[in-house]
Amino acid sequence: AIQLTQSPSSLSASVGDRVTITCRASQGISSALAWYQQKPGRAPNLLISDASSLESGVPSRFSGSGSGTDFTLTISSLQPEDSVTYYCQQFNSFPLTFGGGTKVEIK
Amino acid sequence: EVQLVESGGGLVQPGRSLRLSCTASGFTFGDYGLGWVRQAPGKGLEWVGFIRSKGYGGTTEYAASVEGRFTVSRDDSQSIAYLQMNSLRTEDTAVYHCSRGRTFRGVKYWFDSWGQGTLVTVS
Repeated sequence: AIQLTQSPSSLSASVGDRVTITCRASQGISSALAWYQQKPGRAPNLLISDASSLESGVPSRFSGSGSGTDFTLTISSLQPEDSVTYYCQQFNSFPLTFGGGTKVEIK
Repeated sequence: EVQLVESGGGLVQPGRSLRLSCTASGFTFGDYGLGWVRQAPGKGLEWVGFIRSKGYGGTTEYAASVEGRFTVSRDDSQSIAYLQMNSLRTEDTAVYHCSRGRTFRGVKYWFDSWGQGTLVTVS
């Protein structure tokens, strides 16, 4: 199974900061990576698919990049409502796998 | 509006069975694959199983941790997906979400809509 390693597992940043979360795959997955946001007690919400395609309705401060084994999710200007947990997921092959998650907090 | 509503969770003893349902609305159910993803208390997301649409064979995939114990099925006439869970273990305790699979040519799948989940406690 393809393993996804997310880093950091948690971070603290100020409102307006640029935040970057990384996701590394144990083998090449082309651009078959999605990013999800999950608020406490809620279902995950798809932010980005195909490594860099922003879902309709997702604020433009979110962006994704990468291919192969190294990927990033960037929040260009952190907002208070972005203080939640983020997960990456590879869909290059079954079994589908998720990263361990990154919890973002506001300083 | 796409809606997925899970039901059937609850408290069950180890070794027993439980069947979860996922009732869908707001889209043509038969055109999509459906997945199940679980989240143990305080933990991350873990993919459990998936069923393709009939157009892509209606075949299923499972995580190694549940292979042989869990079965995903679907009833397109009622827009319902099921997760039959047998031989339950304490480590299966989690919130179980169903999710709609978006696909690239029926080969690669990611999840564009999720239900709120139903809690399964094995104890």
